Amino acid sequence: ILNVEQSPQSLHVQEGDSTNFTCSFPSSNFYALHWYRWETAKSPEALFVMTLNGDEKKKGRISATLNTKEGYSYLYIKGSQPEDSATYLCAFRADSWGKLQFGAGTQVVVTP
Amino acid sequence: AAGVIQSPRHLIKEKRETATLKCYPIPRHDTVYWYQQGPGQDPQFLISFYEKMQSDKGSIPDRFSAQQFSDYHSELNMSSLELGDSALYFCASSCRQGDPKNIQYFGAGTRLSVL
Repeated sequence: ILNVEQSPQSLHVQEGDSTNFTCSFPSSNFYALHWYRWETAKSPEALFVMTLNGDEKKKGRISATLNTKEGYSYLYIKGSQPEDSATYLCAFRADSWGKLQFGAGTQVVVTP
Repeated sequence: AAGVIQSPRHLIKEKRETATLKCYPIPRHDTVYWYQQGPGQDPQFLISFYEKMQSDKGSIPDRFSAQQFSDYHSELNMSSLELGDSALYFCASSCRQGDPKNIQYFGAGTRLSVL
């Protein structure tokens, strides 16, 4: 994989259900993997920065795992709430200069 | 807490005009990144600055130039605008550029429309 790919592109979830989605990235030259939550017309909000294979991060009901050897990360939302509706972007960093290579995002819509 | 400020939020220009986008990083952040997100596309890295020097360069057209000033704010200058320059332009700032755990904090973006 040369690009950052996210799947699915969009997701509709019932309030209270849990969900997860994937970010695939190049497995070589790994430096860090970022997750952002982005609501339209707002600033993308940083959720996690993950740097080590096997990393697991958690923030409230949202958690993420990282597998650098096979080049994927999962983001989990437990007990989805309407306020979780947003686009979730992952971004791959390959070097110390810092530029991020973004995926297209997974748009999550949580319905009451 | 202070966030990254971008101005203007919206900008409408005609073809062949020039545009200047401004970015004010979070206080004490020394690095600024610019990204361009075209319609239906992923954000693409344009250019970054660390301590007022260009640190990295991506797919930035020659018609675009940027700099970081002594107060660490940055400006992206775009000349001879083309229809294809219509996009959302994000700025992000960070500190400790080389630290793999550093977070890039994003502004809300400037939406440029070229008519």
